[in-house]
Amino acid sequence: SQQGEEDPQALSIQEGENATMNCSYKTSINNLQWYRQNSGRGLVHLILIRSNEREKHSGRLRVTLDTSKKSSSLLITASRAADTASYFCATDPITQGGSEKLVFGKGTKLTVNP
Amino acid sequence: NAGVTQTPKFQVLKTGQSMTLQCAQDMNHEYMSWYRQDPGMGLRLIHYSVGAGITDQGEVPNGYNVSRSTTEDFPLRLLSAAPSQTSVYFCASNPTGVRRFYGYTFGSGTRLTVV
Repeated sequence: SQQGEEDPQALSIQEGENATMNCSYKTSINNLQWYRQNSGRGLVHLILIRSNEREKHSGRLRVTLDTSKKSSSLLITASRAADTASYFCATDPITQGGSEKLVFGKGTKLTVNP
Repeated sequence: NAGVTQTPKFQVLKTGQSMTLQCAQDMNHEYMSWYRQDPGMGLRLIHYSVGAGITDQGEVPNGYNVSRSTTEDFPLRLLSAAPSQTSVYFCASNPTGVRRFYGYTFGSGTRLTVV
């Protein structure tokens, strides 16, 4: 069953603009992660934010986490054509007995037009 | 190059055939897992392993078998291929123990078509 749900499903912007993607999830988590997937390729880990963190930066990426609303956002600033990809959020849910399962959403397809 | 290596990259099977998807990592990661990716479905966990000799089921384990005899290798076996198993398969690894501080490393995938 899907834990995270990304919104929007697809996003098209111009180069230089900012792109914001959102992720909502259902249960308490240890951490939330964002991944990028270029067409026909494997997933690449972008950033991990733990449940006790509210904001994290990595280069042009900014991730926020609101555990009270069970939601996260990924902001890509000054986007480039090379940012064109699908972006997935993944949650590490807290479960009884411990969890070894990372649960992925369905992804947001980002297109950055030159 | 350190990472997760999956073979083959592409495979076409006939219904009822069996095959093994290979996954190997050279990062000494204890945790390894298999996901399948279908259009509009995201990634779904098939099986995972937290160390040699230890495996467990994920969300969609039916029709698949795994074993973990070494830390490096985690093969996925399709016992009797069905068209519903047409998908892209990804292997991923992570260093258990600090798993909640590091993301997963993914292989480049195996695109499987069952006819």
